[in-house]
Amino acid sequence: GEDVEQSLFLSVREGDSSVINCTYTDSSSTYLYWYKQEPGAGLQLLTYIFSNMDMKQDQRLTVLLNKKDKHLSLRIADTQTGDSAIYFCAESSNRGSTLGRLYFGRGTQLTVWP
Amino acid sequence: ETGVTQTPRHLVMGMTNKKSLKCEQHLGHNAMYWYKQSAKKPLELMFVYNFKEQTENNSVPSRFSPECPNSSHLFLHLHTLQPEDSALYLCASSQVSGYRTEAFFGQGTRLTVV
Repeated sequence: GEDVEQSLFLSVREGDSSVINCTYTDSSSTYLYWYKQEPGAGLQLLTYIFSNMDMKQDQRLTVLLNKKDKHLSLRIADTQTGDSAIYFCAESSNRGSTLGRLYFGRGTQLTVWP
Repeated sequence: ETGVTQTPRHLVMGMTNKKSLKCEQHLGHNAMYWYKQSAKKPLELMFVYNFKEQTENNSVPSRFSPECPNSSHLFLHLHTLQPEDSALYLCASSQVSGYRTEAFFGQGTRLTVV
């Protein structure tokens, strides 16, 4: 299996909350990240969480980490049409020999309907 | 300019051509990366440079040749590519500190091999 897994698609109505889920396999993961990619653009770092935290909130974004289940989620409150994009989960850990190595999921396409 | 800049944004090349992709970061970071993003496939890490030294080469075919002349610039030299190499090539940089890696991405180069 892959190191980081996400569901591929999510559709929500404007104004509702969106929850994008991610699971990872490496228990030594130290930092977990959420990136956003809009059409024709690169990846934009949205937020990250250190593995000794359970939750992190930043305006409309809430990240929840369940380290026991190796589950990460991103909740977007009051989702807007401008939030439509692909959201990538990523993690960095101390496995392998390369510092700075990120492991990405396949991305979740979020579609927001007006 | 700020951030990570990639040129060109779009490139169409024949299979016998030689071309180069350029990436420049203005963030003072110590690591730079090349990623390949193809439709329906996970983001693929191609090369990693830490302090100008190549620390990872993920079994990338020799028709892709990276060059990192200094910590701010990264090139990807292309020659005799195949149609399946058509993809979005993303450059990223980060300041690697322990296992925390907040990668900042460029807008990407959309490459089409004909």
